[in-house]
Amino acid sequence: DAKTTQPPSMDCAEGRAANLPCNHSTISGNEYVYWYRQIHSQGPQYIIHGLKNNETNEMASLIITEDRKSSTLILPHATLRDTAVYYCIVRVAGAGGFKTIFGAGTRLFVKA
Amino acid sequence: DAGVIQSPRHEVTEMGQEVTLRCKPISGHNSLFWYRQTMMRGLELLIYFNNNVPIDDSGMPEDRFSAKMPNASFSTLKIQPSEPRDSAVYFCASSTQGHSNTGELFFGEGSRLTVL
Repeated sequence: DAKTTQPPSMDCAEGRAANLPCNHSTISGNEYVYWYRQIHSQGPQYIIHGLKNNETNEMASLIITEDRKSSTLILPHATLRDTAVYYCIVRVAGAGGFKTIFGAGTRLFVKA
Repeated sequence: DAGVIQSPRHEVTEMGQEVTLRCKPISGHNSLFWYRQTMMRGLELLIYFNNNVPIDDSGMPEDRFSAKMPNASFSTLKIQPSEPRDSAVYFCASSTQGHSNTGELFFGEGSRLTVL
């Protein structure tokens, strides 16, 4: 089972920042938060990940609360091409490694 | 880098036929994952391998499904016999993760299977 909860859908105006929230209240101290997105029928695409510090790359910023129980993915200037399903993931530890379990995600609609 | 390569991209078959999906992971990646995606169930992890060894196949739906990874550059997912409810998009992903706690997944473009 996914260890995160996300709103099912969100809207954002083109050119504005898109802020996608995620709750992961059962996260353990050494577990990372990952974000992926899936555009239409393509394979999911990695966006960013973090442990406890805020992270930024060319695609997005990740803000993790101090207690690590929630995080926010920020797309600073959303475009129509950012319309996609965004998945927030905390990987599940298994016997031989870590499993990436996808939940339902948040469907982001960027509108002109 | 060519990325994760899956074949075929599309497959239409009749119920009862054997289906084989293929995946070539990114060179140097030591973990490989098979996922299935449907509208009803979303993205489901079927099985994953570390260093060519199956680690967790708890997501494989039933004995009709089998997966192999004979070497570091090739994996197959086989369905025999296929059924209409197996219709889905099957994704393969690879990563450098394993026992480490980091390492993002790189996905292929998927194989869309339709079983009539």
